[in-house]
Parts: sequence; C-alpha cells; structure tokens
Amino acid sequence: DGGITQSPKYLFRKEGQNVTLSCEQNLNHDAMYWYRQDPGQGLRLIYYSQIVNDFQKGDIAEGYSVSREKKESFPLTVTSAQKNPTAFYLCASTKLAGSVNEQFFGPGTRLTVL
Amino acid sequence: AQTVTQSQPEMSVQEAETVTLSCTYDTSESDYYLFWYKQPPSRQMILVIRQEAYKQQNATENRFSVNFQKAAKSFSLKISDSQLGDAAMYFCAYRPNFGNEKLTFGTGTRLTIIP
Repeated sequence: DGGITQSPKYLFRKEGQNVTLSCEQNLNHDAMYWYRQDPGQGLRLIYYSQIVNDFQKGDIAEGYSVSREKKESFPLTVTSAQKNPTAFYLCASTKLAGSVNEQFFGPGTRLTVL
Repeated sequence: AQTVTQSQPEMSVQEAETVTLSCTYDTSESDYYLFWYKQPPSRQMILVIRQEAYKQQNATENRFSVNFQKAAKSFSLKISDSQLGDAAMYFCAYRPNFGNEKLTFGTGTRLTIIP
C-alpha cells in the first residue's frame, strides 16, 4: 500500500531535549511538508522541500530543523530552542508535475513536553 | 500574503439534513486552487473536494458540493444528507497555481451531527 507514515504516534520530551519526528512516503512524491496544528489555529507550515538536499522555511520555522537526504524521507527535529513545542505535527507530500495535485497527509505525531 | 478565513468555529446539523460551511479567502492571484479537507477524530486529514479557480462550474463529489464565487472570494462547502460519519473538523485551504505548492489553511469548523 502506498502512503505516508509518521512515527512515533505519541512522543514525550523533557524540556531542553531535541527530538526527531519521522516522515516516510512511498508515493514517489517530489515535495514534502511539515505542519504544526494547535487548537483553534488550523495548520501552520514549518518547513517544506521540493527536491532532495533542498528545503525552505515555512511560516513558523524557528526552533525546528529538517533534512532531505532521500526523496522518501523528511525528518523534523524539534530543538530546545522551540519555546512551545507541545502540538500535533502532520507531514504531507505531493507530486509537483501534472494537474491539480492534492497534498496527502500522514497520520500525525502528538508531541508533549513534560 | 494569502489568508483563508472560516468564520464558523462550530456547526451542528441533524442527521439527513443539509449543512453549509463557509470559507472566504484573500488573494491577488487569478489562478489558484481551493480545497476542503476533513479531519475526523482519528486526526487523519482527508481531501473532501477541490476546485480550480479557472473553472466556473462548481465541483461536486457525491453528497459534497461547493459554491465557488470567485469575485466574492468565497468557497462554501455543502454537505447533503448528513451522516454520522461526517462529524469532523473541516478545513478550507488555498494554493496558488505556481511555485512551491504551499497550502494556506483556515482555522477550521467543527461539525457535529445530531442523531
């Protein structure tokens, strides 16, 4: 089955620790995205990547970092510099060529800072 | 910058009735796409329907249809014959037809279905 997987489903972090959220897709999609979801604020874009070894900041990139070493993988690191990291994180991907291309989403990771 | 506004934080509808969710957006672009996504309690985001701005005909997917008013920058979602499984958060999203395929989301409408 083709799709997007995110792991872990739940993640707990102590203050001051970096944590990495995994996102993998086997859809052969070109672009990948990370969103943060907070109650009452919808989804906000953290980082996105359209090609391997290249990525751009989204609207709320401070305190986060990413890498795109493989087309299939786009891990997100939440650093200790992120002031309020407790949130639901969604990864998405899409093809860039062709007609209207919807973004497909993974099941998400719930991060809680203790 | 583009913005998407959903002015109804919560809506409810009786099962089998029809409900309309509102969405307005602001853009200076003429070529773009609009989407409605559904997020049930599982939190999996699911595409419900999409509309290309250059198409005058409103998109329809089974019980889901949109009323796209380009001049008014309005994109409402109509759900007919509401079912219990329609209960979810609904997000309106905008994407310009160029560049990096970034989606801009509204803040969502929580839809409750009353049996």
